Amino acid sequence: GEDVEQSLFLSVREGDSSVINCTYTDSSSTYLYWYKQEPGAGLQLLTYIFSNMDMKQDQRLTVLLNKKDKHLSLRIADTQTGDSAIYFCAERGRSGGYNKLIFGAGTRLAVHP
Amino acid sequence: KAGVTQTPRYLIKTRGQQVTLSCSPISGHRSVSWYQQTPGQGLQFLFEYFSETQRNKGNFPGRFSGRQFSNSRSEMNVSTLELGDSALYLCASSAISGTSLGADTQYFGPGTRLTVL
Repeated sequence: GEDVEQSLFLSVREGDSSVINCTYTDSSSTYLYWYKQEPGAGLQLLTYIFSNMDMKQDQRLTVLLNKKDKHLSLRIADTQTGDSAIYFCAERGRSGGYNKLIFGAGTRLAVHP
Repeated sequence: KAGVTQTPRYLIKTRGQQVTLSCSPISGHRSVSWYQQTPGQGLQFLFEYFSETQRNKGNFPGRFSGRQFSNSRSEMNVSTLELGDSALYLCASSAISGTSLGADTQYFGPGTRLTVL
């Protein structure tokens, strides 16, 4: 079946790096995504990685994919207070249609001074 | 390009009523997907429309329905509202159909917050 799991809460100090982890079960997943949600807002696409890649870097964001362990992580360098939000990992598989995203429960990132 | 827009942003209804939510995708995008977000169940896929046809459907009762117009705008309807239908309803658009594999991604609107009393 399809399932995505994330830890629910992460607290970091401003300026430190944040690492948000995610595990998924669908081995046929094609793309994996990270979305950010701020209070009262919709989902903002941060980055995505194709399943044949191990790593993708985009400015302060680094995505690591371990396909063998079905583990995905998002590293935010130099975390700022504006990064405080809920971060969702999502997989896009083959079963059920490519545009059906399966989301994790979200990790609430709290950045403190 | 303008982003995905959803109307209304907030809605209050009572049990038993019905509601229609609207979504306008990014210009040029032909696929529209709908998701329900609740504290208890998280983000769940409702359905996807492409070229006015429903391509995929999530595990929701028949009270939830949708449609897509020739200009790709989409509406979703919930009939006989229940308290548990209170949620944030998110619409996402992408350029390609859910039956195609590609590097395209889904872009989300701000959502419609529905409260059922």
